[in-house]
Amino acid sequence: GQNIDQPTEMTATEGAIVQINCTYQTSGFNGLFWYQQHAGEAPTFLSYNVLDGLEEKGRFSSFLSRSKGYSYLLLKELQMKDSASYLCAAMDSNYQLIWGAGTKLIIKP
Amino acid sequence: GAVVSQHPSWVICKSGTSVKIECRSLDFQATTMFWYRQFPKQSLMLMATSNEGSKATYEQGVEKDKFLINHASLTLSTLTVTSAHPEDSSFYICSASEGTFSIGHYGYTFGSGTRLTVV
Repeated sequence: GQNIDQPTEMTATEGAIVQINCTYQTSGFNGLFWYQQHAGEAPTFLSYNVLDGLEEKGRFSSFLSRSKGYSYLLLKELQMKDSASYLCAAMDSNYQLIWGAGTKLIIKP
Repeated sequence: GAVVSQHPSWVICKSGTSVKIECRSLDFQATTMFWYRQFPKQSLMLMATSNEGSKATYEQGVEKDKFLINHASLTLSTLTVTSAHPEDSSFYICSASEGTFSIGHYGYTFGSGTRLTVV
């Protein structure tokens, strides 16, 4: 079956770095997405990886290893506004998104 | 960037009534629209996928007669919750795709969501 695993909740300190991991199993693979979702709002796009390696975009970076079925989202210089849920989603061979349950990130001062 | 407008943002309705939620793609043609529901502290659950001009494909366990989806044009899709009940109270979100996909694609664009409360 198809499955996405990511931690339920993580806590980090303002100004620090946090890495949110995601493992996936899908029927075929057409890329891995990370979305940010604040409570009561729709998800917003953060990153898309389809090739192995690290993609850096400002304070946020995303990594993919296709052979390991593994991705992570790295957030640097954490700010209070980064408190949100982070959703990992893998795209299968039919271009359907398979969603993880989301990781709630709590930032403490 | 691509924008999807979703209305209403929130709605309270009486049990047994129907509610229509609209999603419009403002600056691109949405070949495919996805409708999700999300319960508190849970992830997105895909309800159905609709392509312009054809019938929607519903996920297993989603009642197609209860959740009516219409995708009559390339910029508009609607979800109607018929005979709503309190257990239908949820956050409903649409997302749209132009139908093409490549490296550098900025993902599916989400509407802002509709919080439905059935009393």
